[in-house]
Order: sequence, then structure tokens, then C-alpha cells
Amino acid sequence: GQNIDQPTEMTATEGAIVQINCTYQTSGFNGLFWYQQHAGEAPTFLSYNVLDGLEEKGRFSSFLSRSKGYSYLLLKELQMKDSASYLCAVRGQSSGGSYIPTFGRGTSLIVHP
Amino acid sequence: DVKVTQSSRYLVKRTGEKVFLECVQDMDHENMFWYRQDPGLGLRLIYFSYDVKMKEKGDIPEGYSVSREKKERFSLILESASTNQTSMYLCASSFSGGTDGETQYFGPGTRLLVL
Repeated sequence: GQNIDQPTEMTATEGAIVQINCTYQTSGFNGLFWYQQHAGEAPTFLSYNVLDGLEEKGRFSSFLSRSKGYSYLLLKELQMKDSASYLCAVRGQSSGGSYIPTFGRGTSLIVHP
Repeated sequence: DVKVTQSSRYLVKRTGEKVFLECVQDMDHENMFWYRQDPGLGLRLIYFSYDVKMKEKGDIPEGYSVSREKKERFSLILESASTNQTSMYLCASSFSGGTDGETQYFGPGTRLLVL
């Protein structure tokens, strides 16, 4: 089975930096994704890590350590529009042998002025 | 741009009714998924399909079935709707293989209320 853990809620100030952690246990790890979901909308892709290290994409960065079963999403220069839920998803092997992503419960980020 | 569409944004049904939720993607993706999303529980996989007429159960398939007769269309069927199936239903698709790890593209969701 797969187990993914991330904080339920975080708050931060506009202009600041916030780090959202995700820990996981999975069989047959084959990649980790971060998605952003605004209230009432569909999740949208932010980042993908399959090798250890940091992937940077503008204000957003994502880090992976496979040996520790750990990832984080780093958001810099926070803006009010970054208030959303951030979903960590790990791609691993299902009981049927297929590789599919399993989602964590999401971290609700509130950015205040 | 990848487009995933779902047949309804909002749906109200009565207990015991048969409910069909349709999902269509226009990017020739092999993989398609149905999730439900409930507060505090996150996205939970109901069923997925990796090819036409192929399907595999996800974490919570009970009370649901699926159909994939054409590559672009994946249907979720609630055989006899119950109040505990009131939820947001999200469809997603992804390309099999490639360098993006099979990134998923989501539809806008169908909010189903079963009375």
C-alpha cells in the first residue's frame, strides 16, 4: 500500500517564503508530483520529481529525497493568489501491477497581507 | 492545450437512480482516471483505465462501475445512487510514457448531490 502525509493547513504572509512538506511510503516509487488546487477548481500540475534533488520553476521549487521518502514544495515571494490547496501525489505500483499516482490529503495554504 | 471535459458541473439525483458521469479528453491520452474528492479525505481513486476496454479498480470501487469503449471517453456509472456518494467527482487523463512522468490533466469536476 501507499501512505502519504502532508500538513493539513499552513498560513504565511504575502512576500514571504513557505515550505510544504510531504512524506511517503510506497512500493515501486516512480515519481512524485505537486498539484495546486484553488477552491472550486480542478487541480493543476506544478512539478514533477523522479530523481533526488531540487527542481526550480520560477517562484516554485520542489525537492525530493528518495532514500528518506521526503519531498517539499517551496514557494517564494508569496502572493495572495497562492492561497490554495497543494496536493502531493506519489506514483507507485498498485496491487494490480500498474503504476498509478496516489494523492495525499492536501495542504491548505492561506496567504494573508 | 490539453482539454478534459465532464458532462455536468452540478447534478442532483435521487437515491436508487442510475447515474452516468461522462469524461472526454482531446489529447489522445491512453490513461484515464476517476476520483472522488471529499473534505478532509483528499482525492481517492475509484477506477482507472490504461487502454480502451481495459480497467483496473482503484482504492474505492464499491458501488461504481466504468466503461471505456473509445479512447477519448471514460464513463463512471453509479448503479444505484446512495447518499454517501454525494461528492465532487474529478476525471483526469495522462499520456502513457514520455518524460513528464505521466502528468495528469483534470476536468473541472462534477458536484453530485444524492437526495
